[in-house]
Amino acid sequence: DAGVTQSPTHLIKTRGQHVTLRCSPISGHKSVSWYQQVLGQGPQFIFQYYEKEERGRGNFPDRFSARQFPNYSSELNVNALLLGDSALYLCASSLDRGSYNEQFFGPGTRLTVL
Amino acid sequence: GNSVTQMEGPVTLSEEAFLTINCTYTATGYPSLFWYVQYPGEGLQLLLKATKADDKGSNKGFEATYRKETTSFHLEKGSVQVSDSAVYFCALTDTGTASKLTFGTGTRLQVTL
Repeated sequence: DAGVTQSPTHLIKTRGQHVTLRCSPISGHKSVSWYQQVLGQGPQFIFQYYEKEERGRGNFPDRFSARQFPNYSSELNVNALLLGDSALYLCASSLDRGSYNEQFFGPGTRLTVL
Repeated sequence: GNSVTQMEGPVTLSEEAFLTINCTYTATGYPSLFWYVQYPGEGLQLLLKATKADDKGSNKGFEATYRKETTSFHLEKGSVQVSDSAVYFCALTDTGTASKLTFGTGTRLQVTL
């Protein structure tokens, strides 16, 4: 079975630009979460989506937004990119939205902002 | 709020040495505790988990016991291999309806021959 997939693998943008990252969850999983991992740090929670609705949000500015589609795939959008947005963006899927559900991570999208 | 503190790395060990990576946590409710591993160039993989006090999670020779009295979840392995070289993250989810994982900063393990 396919795991969580993310696209693109790598991305280079300049300050002020907009970026869209995509995630496809494991088949049958209804919850998708997004994390930002800055080099040398642990991942930080950005969003959780379940059944197309936002169910949790981390301490990130409004420049970050996301949505989930009827097929449970998800997009993360970041506007007005800053140098500090350079990071590995990880998507995780789980069967349900509860804290007891194991989350499966994708390989990530490496975003570099110049 | 919730937080996870783990020992700083890098940790360098010879093959077959004993490994301990310390992890302590702060949580408001009754968290589930996890260890994730990240190999170079890859995403995170769940290594083991424990969902209540005194539970022991184990996988691939790694073990960790949920100690509520000391708010700890230390990772151990009796004999490490070169292939265990990776970054290890301790994490928790608190009770509730959201699956938010709170991670520590990670500990890099380097195992040499």
